[in-house]
Amino acid sequence: GAVVSQHPSWVICKSGTSVKIECRSLDFQATTMFWYRQFPKQSLMLMATSNEGSKATYEQGVEKDKFLINHASLTLSTLTVTSAHPEDSSFYICSARGQAYEQYFGPGTRLTVT
Amino acid sequence: EDQVTQSPEALRLQEGESSSLNCSYTVSGLRGLFWYRQDPGKGPEFLFTLYSAGEEKEKERLKATLTKKESFLHITAPKPEDSATYLCAVQVPNDYKLSFGAGTTVTVRA
Repeated sequence: GAVVSQHPSWVICKSGTSVKIECRSLDFQATTMFWYRQFPKQSLMLMATSNEGSKATYEQGVEKDKFLINHASLTLSTLTVTSAHPEDSSFYICSARGQAYEQYFGPGTRLTVT
Repeated sequence: EDQVTQSPEALRLQEGESSSLNCSYTVSGLRGLFWYRQDPGKGPEFLFTLYSAGEEKEKERLKATLTKKESFLHITAPKPEDSATYLCAVQVPNDYKLSFGAGTTVTVRA
């Protein structure tokens, strides 16, 4: 149980285009989902908290207009990187909150902006 | 500000050589301390949640313990498949966010 999927697993896009990443909880409902990014050999950095049916809460320093988050249902949250630039290249990971406060993570999406 | 510090940064073990990883934390209040395992290029895999000092949890060769200031992850008789980065994270009351440490990368040689 407690499986979270992400799609796509990797994506290459050109500078200036937008990319959407999907995060799904497959066997449980998640009222709260989280989006992280991770740079090589570094730990996870929380970008935003996504609550179903309401606006996402962004961490300090994260541009909300650049990283659009939509939590449309209890099993789906999406992250759209708008007007992507090479510095947005990173490993993006989502998680979904379980019943006992733990978070279950997706497999991650590798974004490369050329 | 909540702080989570993991040590050592890296740990190289021979197969069967038991060892411990440390996670020290400074928080205003602790709801839970979480251990995760992360393999290269993958998302973290949930291992344990510890809620109060004195609590212990075990899973196969892993055992996690918690005090008021730190947590230990003991790896008993490790195998090469235990090679991974182990992350600890803390959660405070009234907030579902996790604050992660930098991780300990464990390499187990056959």
